[in-house]
Amino acid sequence: AQSVAQPEDQVNVAEGNPLTVKCTYSVSGNPYLFWYVQYPNRGLQFLLKYITGDNLVKGSYGFEAEFNKSQTSFHLKKPSALVSDSALYFCAVRANTGGFKTIFGAGTRLFVKA
Amino acid sequence: DAGITQSPRHKVTETGTPVTLRCHQTENHRYMYWYRQDPGHGLRLIHYSYGVKDTDKGEVSDGYSVSRSKTEDFLLTLESATSSQTSVYFCAISAGTAGGYTFGSGTRLTVV
Repeated sequence: AQSVAQPEDQVNVAEGNPLTVKCTYSVSGNPYLFWYVQYPNRGLQFLLKYITGDNLVKGSYGFEAEFNKSQTSFHLKKPSALVSDSALYFCAVRANTGGFKTIFGAGTRLFVKA
Repeated sequence: DAGITQSPRHKVTETGTPVTLRCHQTENHRYMYWYRQDPGHGLRLIHYSYGVKDTDKGEVSDGYSVSRSKTEDFLLTLESATSSQTSVYFCAISAGTAGGYTFGSGTRLTVV
């Protein structure tokens, strides 16, 4: 069965500092991995995905994520945080064999302080 | 979000009544999904569809049914609403199994 863990309910970071939002996963076979963001009172937006290839993937708004197969992790990163990055972030995983289900983590709330 | 709309945006209903939520897309995507979002649980998959009349259950399908008679429409029905179904419901679409989702704006459902 697929599962996703986001170990931190909340991450606080000062504007201009690097940020990391953690995600670990469990899935049979090779995973498809995703990050989504939800701004207050809005729907979810796709940020980036890892399917295959380079372990470092780049996405929208300056975000990137690093796939680590041995640690089954897919942490979201940004070199310099903005106050406008404050939002709820979801990691998601899908098995690449059989089925079409994407399982989401519980979410991590990011607060960026000016 | 462009290409996908959910209706209604808000609904209050009484326990025991049936409720239908609608998801409409103009992208001609094959895959459609219904999720519910609850604090502490993230998004949980209710049902999904991989084509017209082709649907399957997700993680939390009890008490819900779906129908997809046309590519563009995916309906979610709460057969007899309960207070535990108070939630925000999101519809999502994707062109393929490797793509990211495009989400609708959500439906906030309150069961009293």
